[in-house]
Amino acid sequence: EADIYQTPRYLVIGTGKKITLECSQTMGHDKMYWYQQDPGMELHLIHYSYGVNSTEKGDLSSESTVSRIRTEHFPLTLESARPSHTSQYLCASSEKNWDGYTFGSGTRLTVV
Amino acid sequence: AQSVTQLGSHVSVSEGALVLLRCNYSSSVPPYLFWYVQYPNQGLQLLLKYTTGATLVKGINGFEAEFKKSETSFHLTKPSAHMSDAAEYFCAVKAAGNTGKLIFGQGTTLQVKP
Repeated sequence: EADIYQTPRYLVIGTGKKITLECSQTMGHDKMYWYQQDPGMELHLIHYSYGVNSTEKGDLSSESTVSRIRTEHFPLTLESARPSHTSQYLCASSEKNWDGYTFGSGTRLTVV
Repeated sequence: AQSVTQLGSHVSVSEGALVLLRCNYSSSVPPYLFWYVQYPNQGLQLLLKYTTGATLVKGINGFEAEFKKSETSFHLTKPSAHMSDAAEYFCAVKAAGNTGKLIFGQGTTLQVKP
């Protein structure tokens, strides 16, 4: 049973809309990550967090923003969605002494 | 810079045949290496990992991988493929430093034919 939850699983939204992708974990992990995955492509890190009030940009430039107000919650926001944002977004977390990621089921976003 | 290369974007085997998925990495530090599996419309699930110690690592669902430093490889194998093994497989290396980031390969789609 997943200990990291992403909602919604699927989202189709119009250009220019503001959206927030939710990610929550119940494991008390300090480190959390957002990856973007296009079909048939590798995963690219777009944001990560070491803990509460800590956020960093990842390797792939992204117009999205994140926040980490609570340990368990790491939402990703797009202020104005565009078709180029169409992708799958995967959230993950890991323990402080780090033993690999636990992934959520992902959110598949389509911007029309 | 660290990187991961998975040889073969698509691999097709018959049910019962050996599965071999290839992964080569480059790393300036002793690597932590991982294999993940992704089923359609799902997130990634950890199959196995190498951190230190024994170079032959056993994972879930009968998979194993061997860390070969001299070849900078971490190939994934399973003696006998099952239809349920059909999925996308990703090899990853932990990035240097304390970020905890993983660097992923491009993925290999495994098809299992009856």
